[in-house]
Order: sequence, then C-alpha cells, then structure tokens
Amino acid sequence: EPEVTQTPSHQVTQMGQEVILRCVPISNHLYFYWYRQILGQKVEFLVSFYNNEISEKSEIFDDQFSVERPDGSNFTLKIRSTKLEDSAMYFCASSDRSYNSPLHFGNGTRLTVT
Amino acid sequence: AQSVTQPDIHITVSEGASLELRCNYSYGATPYLFWYVQSPGQGLQLLLKYFSGDTLVQGIKGFEAEFKRSQSSFNLRKPSVHWSDAAEYFCAVGGPGNQFYFGTGTSLTVIP
Repeated sequence: EPEVTQTPSHQVTQMGQEVILRCVPISNHLYFYWYRQILGQKVEFLVSFYNNEISEKSEIFDDQFSVERPDGSNFTLKIRSTKLEDSAMYFCASSDRSYNSPLHFGNGTRLTVT
Repeated sequence: AQSVTQPDIHITVSEGASLELRCNYSYGATPYLFWYVQSPGQGLQLLLKYFSGDTLVQGIKGFEAEFKRSQSSFNLRKPSVHWSDAAEYFCAVGGPGNQFYFGTGTSLTVIP
C-alpha cells in the first residue's frame, strides 16, 4: 500500500536556526498537509496545499513557516529562526481529494529545538 | 466553529473486555467523521470513516463506530480488546475547505 514518507525521523536544531522537514506524499494525491503535535497535546492543523499554492492555513502558520513543492514528489515545511516552542512532532499528510477524503499520514518528524 | 471533544483522556481496560471511546463533535453541516490510531512513535493510521448512509461503520482491526446525529457523537467500539490495541486514539471531523479538526485524543492502556 502506498505510504507517505517523512525525513528525517528526528531533527535536533539550535534555537534561531532554520530547518526543512521533508515529505513525499502518495504519488497520485493532490492535497497536501502539515500538522503539528506538541508532546501530550492534540494534533493541530498548520497548512494545506493544493495546485501549487496554500489553500488554507491556521493562525499557527505565521511568517516563520513556509511550504513548498519543489518538484513533482517532495513537499517541504521550512521553519525559519526556530524557537523552543516549535519543538513538536510534525506530520505530513496527503489525500486524493478534498474535504471528505481521509488523510494519509506519514510517521512524522520529531523536531527538538535546544 | 467546528470542534471535536474526546472526554476521556485515558482509559484502561482488561484484555478481552469491550471498549468504547467517546467522541462528540460540533459542526454546522453534515459531518465527515474519522477515527485515527497512533501507536508510539508512529504516524496516524485511519481506522474508519463516516460520510453518509449506514450510521454504523466498520473499520480495520475489528473496530466499529456509530454516528448519532441527535447526540452529535461518533463513539468508537470494539467487542474484545487485544493487547496490541494499546495506543492513542483520535477522533476527527472534516471541515470546510480541506482542514481536519482533531480531538485531544484518548490514551488506551490494555492490562493482561
């Protein structure tokens, strides 16, 4: 069964540094998402992406964050000038259509900001 | 505004016992509802979904859920729990656009 893959599985960075989290969605999917889960808290929506542009974003997704689909397979989340509170598990997801289509999640990247 | 409430933060059941995890949603239109499971260190795996039609939906791993519009609920059930079911369970509702709203999760512990 096709999977969403995320790399790296764990990223440690110093406060103020930039990080790029990478995802390869399922190949025939058209909608891509990033979610975040701070330890012990619920899964929070960050951003959705369709047709090479952001379709929706939450208030968490401020100017510190950006997403890109640099080629036909990768989907990246960039966090500029990381803060301690950015430490979380970041999940990429994809779906083949919007709204009523289940999301397929990757295993996540655990980001630790020191 | 759309929201999902999972009232039980943590549930402990004995292996072989039945299980029910509660989920209540708030949504202005016909909801699209999902249950996901997250094992330690893993991503979120879809257990089942409800879009329309039969209000009792069957999922993977022997799970089922029942949509009750009058109670705004979508509770997850399993008749006999296995030790491998120990995990975090998340209820979610599909909102406008293509955003999903997740509950805070219920952690399930299974004791021998």
